[in-house]
Amino acid sequence: QLVLTQSPSASASLGASVKLTCTLSSGHSNYAIAWHQQQPEKGPRYLMKVNSDGSHNKGDGIPDRFAGSRSGAERYLIISSLQSEDEADYYCQTWGAGIHVFGGGTKLTVL
Amino acid sequence: EVQLVESGGGLVKPGGSLRLSCAVFRFSFTNAWMSWVRQAPGKGLEWVGRIKSKTDGGTADYAAPVKGRFTISRDDSKTTVYLQMNSLNSEDSAIYYCATDDGMYWGQGTLVTVSS
Repeated sequence: QLVLTQSPSASASLGASVKLTCTLSSGHSNYAIAWHQQQPEKGPRYLMKVNSDGSHNKGDGIPDRFAGSRSGAERYLIISSLQSEDEADYYCQTWGAGIHVFGGGTKLTVL
Repeated sequence: EVQLVESGGGLVKPGGSLRLSCAVFRFSFTNAWMSWVRQAPGKGLEWVGRIKSKTDGGTADYAAPVKGRFTISRDDSKTTVYLQMNSLNSEDSAIYYCATDDGMYWGQGTLVTVSS
């Protein structure tokens, strides 16, 4: 079964960096995923797609502070130079045969 | 700038029906696969279903909780995708977003509340 697992919460200080993780279920480690940001009271915003080779394709206007990578079944979203507006929920998404799956989301708090 | 605009949400009684629309602007709609995603209050994102482009068959796939009750369709002449929701229950209460199937573009969402 295709499942994405995310930690429910993360925190980091203003100006620091943070790495959020999305783990693909067994047997699906070569799947690409997308990362989305959802700021409070707003709709989701596409950040990037992280491909199976670790390369990533960012959406329009996404700052260089946002990057993606992978290691095995894990897909990462790395945010550098954290700003207050980065405080948001972050979701990963993947695509299977006839289905889409979202991770449960990680709530990022900027301290 | 690509724009997706949902409409049609509102208050509906349990067992009722509602049709949502999503108009797409400044995007190559004819070739696009389109998805619906919902978010219940205080919860995460949940995929509802998607429709392929007519070129790729125009068929739709659905998440298990809505299969048999919801139907996705599209009108390429109006660059609009629809979500017909029947036999609604309280668990269907959510903000409904349309998005391109790759997740790159999202609408602002429309709120559906199922309550007596």
